[in-house]
Amino acid sequence: DAKTTQPPSMDCAEGRAANLPCNHSTISGNEYVYWYRQIHSQGPQYIIHGLKNNETNEMASLIITEDRKSSTLILPHATLRDTAVYYCIVKDYKLSFGAGTTVTVRA
Amino acid sequence: DAGVTQSPTHLIKTRGQHVTLRCSPISGHKSVSWYQQVLGQGPQFIFQYYEKEERGRGNFPDRFSARQFPNYSSELNVNALLLGDSALYLCASSLTLAGETYNEQFFGPGTRLTVL
Repeated sequence: DAKTTQPPSMDCAEGRAANLPCNHSTISGNEYVYWYRQIHSQGPQYIIHGLKNNETNEMASLIITEDRKSSTLILPHATLRDTAVYYCIVKDYKLSFGAGTTVTVRA
Repeated sequence: DAGVTQSPTHLIKTRGQHVTLRCSPISGHKSVSWYQQVLGQGPQFIFQYYEKEERGRGNFPDRFSARQFPNYSSELNVNALLLGDSALYLCASSLTLAGETYNEQFFGPGTRLTVL
C-alpha cells in the first residue's frame, strides 16, 4: 500500500550530485514526506523529512513541489558509501516502504 | 549511546517450529515497530506498540504476535513457521507514537530468519 512511485535504479558519479525523484500524487495535506536509505544488509537509516517547505540537513536536501505531488532528494556530493536503496515514504502512522530506488555511486 | 539492538542476529528454523525475536529500543523510546523484509523487497509493517499496547497491525496472519514489556523492550513471535517466513525482521523504535506528525524511527540491524 505504498503511496509513492520511484524509479527502480539510477547511477551517479562519485563527487557529483545525485537527484532522486519521487511521485506522491495522492498525498494529503497533513502527511509528511520521509526519506530513508538502506545500505546492504543493514536496517534502514533516516535521511530527511518535510511537509511543504524545502529542507536541508547534513546528509541531503529535500525539494517538495508547490502542489506537494512530487519531491526530489538531493545528495550534493555523492560518495561510494552512498550506494544504497533509497525509499521515499508518505507517512501515516506507519512507514509504508515501496521498492525504492537502488542508487549505485561509481568511482 | 546504544542504538536499537536485536537478538539473535541470525536464526535457522524448520517448518512448523516457533520463533521468538527480541528487540531493545533506544533508551527513552516508548514505541517499537516490527517490519518484515523479504529479499529484494522493501520492509513491510507488521506491528506497532506504544506504552505496552498494540497501536497498529499490518496485513499478517494470526501466527504473528508481539508484545511490549514494562521496560519498552519487545518480542515478536511467529508460530507454525512457513518457508515464506524467511526474511529479515527489523525492529524500529521512536520516542512517541508513530502517528505523531514528526517521529523519526530508528531501525536495528535486524534478525535474519531462515526457515528450512
